[in-house]
Amino acid sequence: GQQLNQSPQSMFIQEGEDVSMNCTSSSIFNTWLWYKQEPGEGPVLLIALYKAGELTSNGRLTAQFGITRKDSFLNISASIPSDVGIYFCAGLETSGSRLTFGEGTQLTVNP
Amino acid sequence: NAGVTQTPKFRILKIGQSMTLQCTQDMNHNYMYWYRQDPGMGLKLIYYSVGAGITDKGEVPNGYNVSRSTTEDFPLRLELAAPSQTSVYFCASSRVAGPNGNTIYFGEGSWLTVV
Repeated sequence: GQQLNQSPQSMFIQEGEDVSMNCTSSSIFNTWLWYKQEPGEGPVLLIALYKAGELTSNGRLTAQFGITRKDSFLNISASIPSDVGIYFCAGLETSGSRLTFGEGTQLTVNP
Repeated sequence: NAGVTQTPKFRILKIGQSMTLQCTQDMNHNYMYWYRQDPGMGLKLIYYSVGAGITDKGEVPNGYNVSRSTTEDFPLRLELAAPSQTSVYFCASSRVAGPNGNTIYFGEGSWLTVV
């Protein structure tokens, strides 16, 4: 199956700092999705990207679909304690039927 | 809105027992998925279905079976449970799978421990 490399694996930041994480793949995806997962919960969709080059914002979150269709990044500006969680990128392959997940970025925000 | 509903939320199984994780969605989605998530890891696809009567293997299908007799339901069966199947299981669904407007929604998870 396709592999997604997500980095960094973990981040420890101070409240108010900006955060950036990214995913890369050796294969092309048609759709990139970013999810947040909190302890004991399922992943919750944050941002969906459907076109190469697309830049989309959701509040303090901004994500971009790379031009090559093999990468995506997620930025969080002015982090707050409730941003704590695991962030996953996911790519929908060209056949459209399988979603592949990155390994996740564990974010810790210190007040 | 119910969305994707999984049951049970928690279950402890003995080695060799069997059980079924139930998943139902009320969004009339064509596509449904079962993922497992091991501690500190991402989600691995077990099985998926593109519509009633159609199922396909994902990355880690061994030890599991699925069926899709209706659009709403996609149960996951564990036969002869093994400790390696201790994990959190997520069911998910999507309306269509393609580049235009598709998103995938997850249930809240089922925590399974095999002892």
